[in-house]
Amino acid sequence: DAGVTQSPTHLIKTRGQQVTLRCSPKSGHDTVSWYQQALGQGPQFIFQYYEEEERQRGNFPDRFSGHQFPNYSSELNVNALLLGDSALYLCASSFYDSRLAGHSTDTQYFGPGTRLTVL
Amino acid sequence: GNSVTQMEGPVTLSEEAFLTINCTYTATGYPSLFWYVQYPGEGLQLLLKATKADDKGSNKGFEATYRKETTSFHLEKGSVQVSDSAVYFCALISGGYNKLIFGAGTRLAVHP
Repeated sequence: DAGVTQSPTHLIKTRGQQVTLRCSPKSGHDTVSWYQQALGQGPQFIFQYYEEEERQRGNFPDRFSGHQFPNYSSELNVNALLLGDSALYLCASSFYDSRLAGHSTDTQYFGPGTRLTVL
Repeated sequence: GNSVTQMEGPVTLSEEAFLTINCTYTATGYPSLFWYVQYPGEGLQLLLKATKADDKGSNKGFEATYRKETTSFHLEKGSVQVSDSAVYFCALISGGYNKLIFGAGTRLAVHP
């Protein structure tokens, strides 16, 4: 059973460019969350997708956008890259059990991440 | 708002020493609590979790108990190994959706 996969592993871009990162969730999972981890810090929540819609969003500008496909895979797009966007981008998948809505017990499983360097 | 505070690292121990990494949280409602571990150059791996007060999560010799009265979830291991060297993150989820809130992480270095 494959876990969460992400591509590419590493990426180098220049300021002002656009980038697309991809994530395939763990088998049986329907929810994908994206996190940004700057060097030496804990991951910060960007947004979460469920049923092909953005369900929740963290404190990130509109330059960060995403998409979820019918097969539950997801993309993270970042426009007009800044030097400060250099980070490890982590994708996490989970299964949303509506019977537990409001109890927040679903466990998120992380992929290996994409290391983005902006020059 | 919700937040997680971890003890600052790095924590440096000799092999077979006892490990404690402190974690306290602030949250509304009844959060679920997690410890994740990140080995060099890798993503996050779930180490253990607890979903209600007084629950003890355990895995690979690591343990943490959900203490609501002290809003804490300290990570412990009785005898660390060199292979435990990594960064450890305490995290919580609170509310209806699975937005993980992480602490800053604690780096553990174990020497032979």
